[in-house]
Amino acid sequence: DSGVTQTPKHLITATGQRVTLRCSPRSGDLSVYWYQQSLDQGLQFLIQYYNGEERAKGNILERFSAQQFPDLHSELNLSSLELGDSALYFCASSPSWGAEVGETQYFGPGTRLLVL
Amino acid sequence: DQQVKQNSPSLSVQEGRISILNCDYTNSMFDYFLWYKKYPAEGPTFLISISSIKDKNEDGRFTVFLNKSAKHLSLHIVPSQPGDSAVYFCAARFSGTYKYIFGTGTRLKVLA
Repeated sequence: DSGVTQTPKHLITATGQRVTLRCSPRSGDLSVYWYQQSLDQGLQFLIQYYNGEERAKGNILERFSAQQFPDLHSELNLSSLELGDSALYFCASSPSWGAEVGETQYFGPGTRLLVL
Repeated sequence: DQQVKQNSPSLSVQEGRISILNCDYTNSMFDYFLWYKKYPAEGPTFLISISSIKDKNEDGRFTVFLNKSAKHLSLHIVPSQPGDSAVYFCAARFSGTYKYIFGTGTRLKVLA
């Protein structure tokens, strides 16, 4: 158990809908990262938040947005969903802002999203 | 453009033998490399890492080698155990940033 929790575990929805994925980092971790893993793909970095502020952006679509709240939990919002958005979405956390050599990211179990 | 590549989608090894997982990268700006292991229905878990200033790091049965001139990273597992059967991802971090690039993974199967 990494200490990172993600809800829900599974989500089935229809095209055009909007969903919210939730992540609680490990106790004491200030950074939260979101990744997308599509079929046969590696983990694609989406976005990082550090202590409530956006820190780095990856290949995140404009239809997707995220935020980190004062209690450090984070939400990833996916809107106008398309079939191609079906994927595993992972959240990870780390103690600091991720630039320290030796810093490790701890991953949650993921949310499996299926868009029909 | 895949900057971190794991060209072998799968690998089978006999229990007790050495497992060698490979990873190639294209960007010289990576300064930190990591290996993660992933079991089904779980998130990736950190295994071992190496800084770009080193060429080897060892932790028990796991050793990571870095060849900067070849832009090649490898993970050696000796001896391999059935519990090592999982998908292994290599990842690289852009120097001075918080941005990590992951490979597509190699599925290792250790046969008893």
